[in-house]
Parts: sequence; C-alpha cells; structure tokens
Amino acid sequence: DIQMTQSPSSLSASVGDRVTITCRASQSISSYLNWYQQKPGKAPKLLIYAASSLQSGVPSRFSGSGSGTDFTLTITSLQPEDFATYYCQQSYSTPLFTFGPGTKVDIK
Amino acid sequence: QVTLKESGPALVKPTQTLTLTCTFSGFSLSTSGMRVSWIRQPPGKALEWLALIDWDDDKFYSTSLKTRLTISKDTSKNQVVLTMTNMDPVDTATYYCARIRGYADYNWFDPWGQGTLVTVSS
Repeated sequence: DIQMTQSPSSLSASVGDRVTITCRASQSISSYLNWYQQKPGKAPKLLIYAASSLQSGVPSRFSGSGSGTDFTLTITSLQPEDFATYYCQQSYSTPLFTFGPGTKVDIK
Repeated sequence: QVTLKESGPALVKPTQTLTLTCTFSGFSLSTSGMRVSWIRQPPGKALEWLALIDWDDDKFYSTSLKTRLTISKDTSKNQVVLTMTNMDPVDTATYYCARIRGYADYNWFDPWGQGTLVTVSS
C-alpha cells in the first residue's frame, strides 16, 4: 500500500501568515493527490484535487503544487476561518485510497 | 444539490456486527461512473478509507479490513450499506460516506456526509 506522510504534524501561525504544508508519498503518485480541510466536529471539505486544481468555491489563497512524491499546500494569507486540520489523499492506487496523518493549523 | 447522510447505531458491543446506511440525494448510483465510499476517523486521529461501491456493483475494500467489511447498494432507495463484523473498541470512530468524483485515476471525495459516531463498548 502507498503510505502518505505530512509535515509538520502541527503548526502555529498568525492571521496573515503564509503557511506551507508538505505531503510525501512512499512512491511516485504522479499528480494523483488531493487536499482536504477539516474543522472540529465537521466533515472534511475538498480544497484541491489533482495536486493543483482549486475546487470550485475555495478561496484563491489556497494553492497546491507538486508531483511524483512531494506535494505542498500553501495558504498565502491565513484567515481566521483557515484554522483547521488539513489532510492529503492519494488516488494513484485507485480504487484503494490513502490519507495522510493530517496537519493541524492553530492560532499562535 | 448532492447530499449524503449516514445513519446507524451510536453504540455497539464488542464482537457485534455494525450496519451503517448512507442515504444520498442529487445523483443516482445507477448512472455510469458513480461511486460511493465509506471512510472513518477515530476520535482525534486521521481519516481511514474503508470501502467503495460503484454503479456497476463493483466493490473494493481496505486491505487491512477487507475480511470484516461488506458494502452493498440499494439503487431504488438511493442507499449504500456498510457492514463491519466483529467490532472492537478500536473501531470507535466517526464513520463518513462520500461520493467519489473525478476521471481516470484522478479521484476525490466530494461531498461528504456529516458523519455518524459509533462507540464500541460493553
């Protein structure tokens, strides 16, 4: 099975900061990588699909990049509503899927 | 508008079988390309993909849990059912269903149901 790791596991940031989260796959997954945001007590919400495509309705301060084994999610100017946990998910091994362990972004 | 909602028992005893139902609207699982998945999340932990069923009744399971899982669909009721046998306290989690969207091997989960918390305890 393809394993996904994320770094850091948590970070503290201030409103207006630029935040970068990294996701790494245990083997090359091309660009078959998605990002989700999850707030406490809520279901995950799709942010980015196919590594860099922004889901409709998601603010443009979110962006994704990468291919192969290394991927990043960037939030250019952190907003109060962005404090959440972020997960990556690979679909290279469709129909078997894997999520990363998550990165929690909280207020500094 | 596509919506999904999970239902099932909030509490099950160890060794029992869990049955969860995902009731959806806004799409039909008889339409070519449509797929629905189950995903779970133990309290404070990460998401774990469990199972998938598609419009053609093909079924796929997590490698680590496949001996305990069964997924099925009732197209007429717009429902997908997941059963998990031999429940253990480590199976305590919020269970989500989600529609799979995408093309080729570009697949993502959107939208998700609200989730249902299942606690395994005697």
